[in-house]
Amino acid sequence: EDQVTQSPEALRLQEGESSSLNCSYTVSGLRGLFWYRQDPGKGPEFLFTLYSAGEEKEKERLKATLTKKESFLHITAPKPEDSATYLCAVQVSGNTPLVFGKGTRLSVIA
Amino acid sequence: GAVVSQHPSWVICKSGTSVKIECRSLDFQATTMFWYRQFPKQSLMLMATSNEGSKATYEQGVEKDKFLINHASLTLSTLTVTSAHPEDSSFYICSARPPGRGEQFFGPGTRLTVL
Repeated sequence: EDQVTQSPEALRLQEGESSSLNCSYTVSGLRGLFWYRQDPGKGPEFLFTLYSAGEEKEKERLKATLTKKESFLHITAPKPEDSATYLCAVQVSGNTPLVFGKGTRLSVIA
Repeated sequence: GAVVSQHPSWVICKSGTSVKIECRSLDFQATTMFWYRQFPKQSLMLMATSNEGSKATYEQGVEKDKFLINHASLTLSTLTVTSAHPEDSSFYICSARPPGRGEQFFGPGTRLTVL
C-alpha cells in the first residue's frame, strides 16, 4: 500500500530559527512529489513539485529537496506568517488522486 | 494560473435538506476533479474522483447515494449532500488537475453546518 509519512506532527520555532520538515514515502512508483501549505479554514495552496531524486525547488524562505525515499522542506529564517500546516503528497500513477501525508503543523513565534 | 473556486464558501442548513456545492476551474479545463472532506485538525480525506462525462469513483466507506457528484463540463463539478444530518457537518474541499500535470489545485473550501 502506498504511504506517505510526515514528521514531526507539530513544530514550534522561534522567528529566525531554521529547520526542516520531513516527508518519507513508500510507493509502488513515484511520478511526482508535491508540497502544499494549508492555512486554517482554507484549501491547500500548491508550493512545489519534485520529480526525481536530487531535484531541488526554492521559493522565498522555503526549499524542497527529494531523495529516493524522502523529501525535506527546509525553512530558512522563518517568520510568523510562515505558520501553517505543510502537506506532502505523492502521485503514483496515471490520473490517480494524490496520496497525502497527515501534515506538519508549523508555528513560528515572534 | 490554475485557479479553482468553490461556491458557497459556507452554508448552514436544517437536518433533512439537501445542499449543493459547486467547484469550478477558472482558467483551465479539468477532466478530473476530486472531492475531499476535512474535520478540525485532521488531514484531508478523499471522498471521490470526478471524471467529466462519466460516473464518479467513490472511496470505500463513502455513500454515493448521499454524496452525489456530477461533472457536467470540463470546468464544473458539483457535490450534493442529500438529506443532510449533523454528522455531515464538515469542511468540504474540491481540487482539479490540469491536463498532463500531476499537481492538484484546490478550491478555498466550503464549510457546511447542519443543524
